[in-house]
Amino acid sequence: AQKVTQAQTEISVVEKEDVTLDCVYETRDTTYYLFWYKQPPSGELVFLIRRNSFDEQNEISGRYSWNFQKSTSSFNFTITASQVVDSAVYFCALRDDKIIFGKGTRLHILP
Amino acid sequence: DAMVIQNPRYQVTQFGKPVTLSCSQTLNHNVMYWYQQKSSQAPKLLFHYYDKDFNNEADTPDNFQSRRPNTSFCFLDIRSPGLGDAAMYLCAIASGVGIRLEAFFGQGTRLTVV
Repeated sequence: AQKVTQAQTEISVVEKEDVTLDCVYETRDTTYYLFWYKQPPSGELVFLIRRNSFDEQNEISGRYSWNFQKSTSSFNFTITASQVVDSAVYFCALRDDKIIFGKGTRLHILP
Repeated sequence: DAMVIQNPRYQVTQFGKPVTLSCSQTLNHNVMYWYQQKSSQAPKLLFHYYDKDFNNEADTPDNFQSRRPNTSFCFLDIRSPGLGDAAMYLCAIASGVGIRLEAFFGQGTRLTVV
C-alpha cells in the first residue's frame, strides 16, 4: 500500500532561518512520482516540484531545495533563508495511479 | 492561465439540498481526480477517472457521485449534503501513465452546509 508520512505537524522558525520539512513514503511500485505542494491560507494547492523515481538528483530552485533518497524512501524539502511569505501548509505527495498526500506540515515563519 | 477551473469558488448549500460542483480543464488530460479536504487535514481522494473509466475509493460515501460527460468537464454531485460534508473540494488533472506525469490542481470550491 502507498503511504506518505510527514512526521512534523507544525514547525515555527524565525525569519531568515533555514528549515527542512521531512517526507517519508512507502510504495511497492518501481515507477512513481513524488511531489511537494504549498497550500497558503487561500486554500489552493500550489505545485512546487515533481520528482520521478528514476531521478535521484537533488534539485535547487532559488531558496528551495529537495533531497530525494531512495535508500531511505525520503524526499525532504529545505527552505533557505525563510521568509514570512513561506508560511503555509506544505504537503508531500506520492503518485503511481493515484495521488496520495501526507498529512501536511504547517510552517510558521515568525518575523 | 488556469489549467483547471473550478466553479464556484465558494458554495453555500442547505442541509439535505443536492449540490453540484464543477471542474473543467484546458489541457485535455485524461485523468481527473476529486479530492475532499477538511480543515487542517490532508486532501482525501474521493474518485478518479482514467478517460471514462470511473474509480471510486472504497470509503467514499454513497452520498457522493461524479459524472464526466467529456474529457474537459467533471462534476461532483452531493445528493444530500450533511454538516460533515463542509469542506474544500479540489479537482486535479493529470496526464497518462509512464514517464510524463504532470498533476495540476484547481483553486478548489469551499462548500458550506447550513
